[in-house]
Amino acid sequence: QVQLQESGPGLVKPSETLSLTCTVSGGSFRSYYWSWIRQPPGKGLEWIGYIYYSGSTNYNPSLKSRVTISVDTSKNQFSLKLSSVTAADTAVYYCASTSAGYWGQGTLVTVSS
Amino acid sequence: DIQMTQSPSSLSASVGDSVTITCRASQSIRNYLSWYHHKPGQAPKLLIYGASSLQSGVPSRFSGSGSGTDFTLTISSLQAEDFATYYCQQSDSLPWTFGQGTKVDIK
Repeated sequence: QVQLQESGPGLVKPSETLSLTCTVSGGSFRSYYWSWIRQPPGKGLEWIGYIYYSGSTNYNPSLKSRVTISVDTSKNQFSLKLSSVTAADTAVYYCASTSAGYWGQGTLVTVSS
Repeated sequence: DIQMTQSPSSLSASVGDSVTITCRASQSIRNYLSWYHHKPGQAPKLLIYGASSLQSGVPSRFSGSGSGTDFTLTISSLQAEDFATYYCQQSDSLPWTFGQGTKVDIK
């Protein structure tokens, strides 16, 4: 049973960098593309980007200038960094392999001073 | 970006009802369409992939159809655990995009 768990600060100040990590357990980390997806309060889902175990990435052009996704295969982890955050980046952030149907429970990140 | 439009945005139904949700893509996405079930505080759950393939472990009352630009999700006999928000997602072209969601609640 593959499980994903997001971790990181729940509160980030405006203009700072949001950092989250997703730990994958119970399955083959090298078999899937791993994505970050977010859902602002009261809104729909937005795909942020994905990474493969090789380090190959693809980002949503709407966020590309501020996003970095990285991978640590030794720990079966991948991470998200979103820079220069504003209140509009307040959302529940999910890590997932959408093709396999594996999702984390999500973590709420609030951007506020 | 490919725009995904779901209809209706919300609907009210009773246990045992048959429910159909539609999803329209702004351009052809072949059959690269998935459906998710989402409850607050929980992870979205993949129901259908490839427009019509049932994800392992998902009850057979869920079915999907369509190709190109028009897709449907049908729940043949709504159960209490099915009251949730449903999303479609295309994975034909980057950036992957989702519909705005259809909330199914109890009549």
